[in-house]
Amino acid sequence: QVPLVESGGGVVQPGRSLRLSCVASGFTFRSYAMHWVRQAPGKGLEWVAIISYDGSNKYYADSVKGRLTISRDNSKNTLYLEMNSLRAEDTAVYYCVKEDYGQIYFDQWGQGILVTVSS
Amino acid sequence: QSALTQPASVSGSPGQSIAISCTGTSSDVGGYNYVSWYQQHPGKAPKLMIYDVSHRPSGVSDRFSGSKSGNTASLTISGLQAEDEADYYCSSYTSGSTRVFGGGTKLTVL
Repeated sequence: QVPLVESGGGVVQPGRSLRLSCVASGFTFRSYAMHWVRQAPGKGLEWVAIISYDGSNKYYADSVKGRLTISRDNSKNTLYLEMNSLRAEDTAVYYCVKEDYGQIYFDQWGQGILVTVSS
Repeated sequence: QSALTQPASVSGSPGQSIAISCTGTSSDVGGYNYVSWYQQHPGKAPKLMIYDVSHRPSGVSDRFSGSKSGNTASLTISGLQAEDEADYYCSSYTSGSTRVFGGGTKLTVL
């Protein structure tokens, strides 16, 4: 059973919206902070956002603040990334990432989902 | 939120040791012992190799070690093996409660 499975990617026009989902399994989802990390084609990793275990705290990279919104539904073991006003530079593989309990590192990664912003 | 600075590439022969540096500021690398390192093979998700500057997760070879001095952290790989060829990224906690990655280093085993 794959612990983190992303979905919702695809090709979208500039200025449009998209919502990514990540279903978690094999661990107590509601106990862990979760992140989104992205990687543009041929480029390095870029941290995008974090949400606390209960959703009460959220922090974002400056590059996405005001356009991307992280959220979670602990009853559905699901993490979301709402992406609005998409730009070409948002084209990337988006990873759903779990932070180890009480720690500051990424211990489990999803397989990633590609989002392509293009007209 | 500037990316941490890593060399674009390093190389070494099998059996040799190499070090990859990761330079930040007092607001990230220098201010906290929360530096982690990730290995990424082409087309794969990253894998945790070092956390909290110098701790190795269970299952990671003891050929991998980490350290920090001031605003610069380092990952050292000893006894290089062909399978170590990959991209390596450092990451740090920041004063704004965010996270930041380095630009990545491509390791070539000659």
